Amino acid sequence: ELKVEQNPLFLSMQEGKNYTIYCNYSTTSDRLYWYRQDPGKSLESLFVLLSNGAVKQEGRLMASLDTKARLSTLHITAAVHDLSATYFCAVQPSGSRLTFGEGTQLTVNP
Amino acid sequence: KAGVTQTPRYLIKTRGQQVTLSCSPISGHRSVSWYQQTPGQGLQFLFEYFSETQRNKGNFPGRFSGRQFSNSRSEMNVSTLELGDSALYLCASSFWGWGYTFGSGTRLTVV
Repeated sequence: ELKVEQNPLFLSMQEGKNYTIYCNYSTTSDRLYWYRQDPGKSLESLFVLLSNGAVKQEGRLMASLDTKARLSTLHITAAVHDLSATYFCAVQPSGSRLTFGEGTQLTVNP
Repeated sequence: KAGVTQTPRYLIKTRGQQVTLSCSPISGHRSVSWYQQTPGQGLQFLFEYFSETQRNKGNFPGRFSGRQFSNSRSEMNVSTLELGDSALYLCASSFWGWGYTFGSGTRLTVV
């Protein structure tokens, strides 16, 4: 059974600081996704990573994928309050459905 | 273009009743997936439909069922509701079965 683990599950950081969220998964997967969810809202797609070594950046967020290590990271640079949300990674083996991690609840304090 | 539309947004039902949730995918998308989100269990996969055929099914009891119509719209039905069915139900659509866009969800409360 595919397992997806995120850490940390809770992250409180100050504005202007950098931090990384980690996503480990247990079996080979074709695709890895990062989503953002605000309280009471739906999931907003951030990144789709398709191959080993893939790196994508959008604003203060950068995601990378190491398929050999079965690890993806979401790096936050110079955090701002607007980034406060819950971040989920999800993996999708070939022909299968998304399996989500537990989510990382990020709070950025002024 | 219009996103994924889920109706209703909020629903309150009594134990033992049944409920039907609707999802209209992005125009042209043929794959629709359903997920249940609860604080305790997180995001759990219910089922996926592609061109009216169920392609994958999660580990939920038979009370949970779904279908997809020829226009790709999908419905999910839960019969004999239990308190534990209270959750946010999310629908996601995609063209080929990857690159999913999620709807706003239906928040179901069972009392």
